[in-house]
Amino acid sequence: GQQVMQIPQYQHVQEGEDFTTYCNSSTTLSNIQWYKQRPGGHPVFLIQLVKSGEVKKQKRLTFQFGEAKKNSSLHITATQTTDVGTYFCAGRYAGNNRKLIWGLGTSLAVNP
Amino acid sequence: SQTIHQWPATLVQPVGSPLSLECTVEGTSNPNLYWYRQAAGRGLQLLFYSVGIGQISSEVPQNLSASRPQDRQFILSSKKLLLSDSGFYLCAWSVKGSNYGYTFGSGTRLTVV
Repeated sequence: GQQVMQIPQYQHVQEGEDFTTYCNSSTTLSNIQWYKQRPGGHPVFLIQLVKSGEVKKQKRLTFQFGEAKKNSSLHITATQTTDVGTYFCAGRYAGNNRKLIWGLGTSLAVNP
Repeated sequence: SQTIHQWPATLVQPVGSPLSLECTVEGTSNPNLYWYRQAAGRGLQLLFYSVGIGQISSEVPQNLSASRPQDRQFILSSKKLLLSDSGFYLCAWSVKGSNYGYTFGSGTRLTVV
């Protein structure tokens, strides 16, 4: 079946260190979205990637979509305590654009 | 601007009692609507989605049902709650026919005791 695998499950970093979370699919995605959920909160949409090899930046966050459109990553440079939360990727597959297939998320903890 | 309202924020219900969670969207029309459950603060499980009034698709067989009586209203119900129904319930909407992100409500934390 269609699955999106996300690693790592948890990550502890010192403030100022970089952080990366990865998502992988066994089949080609039509697009992939990234969300952030703060502790106790709800997921908030960050970005969508559509094109093969696409790279988008939002301040210290860099999002990449692989050339084969089967993997994606989110990289945070110089983490801050405000980056704490769980980051989810969610992909859509061609022919089933109604549904997002969610990764299980990466929980990021930042030590000040 | 579009907003999504979900209530209540927290709910404690006894086993066997009924459930009704409501979600409404403002500032848009004909949205896709979704109910998700998040257990143990981790992954999101799609429960139901709706592309229009009265049109409900169920993703997981379970003790719950959903209804969409109006274009921007989505209701999650149960006739008799089970302990396993505890979790964080999230309503979301998206623009139809496009690839925009989902906008989530603030969620209802349900504890069945």
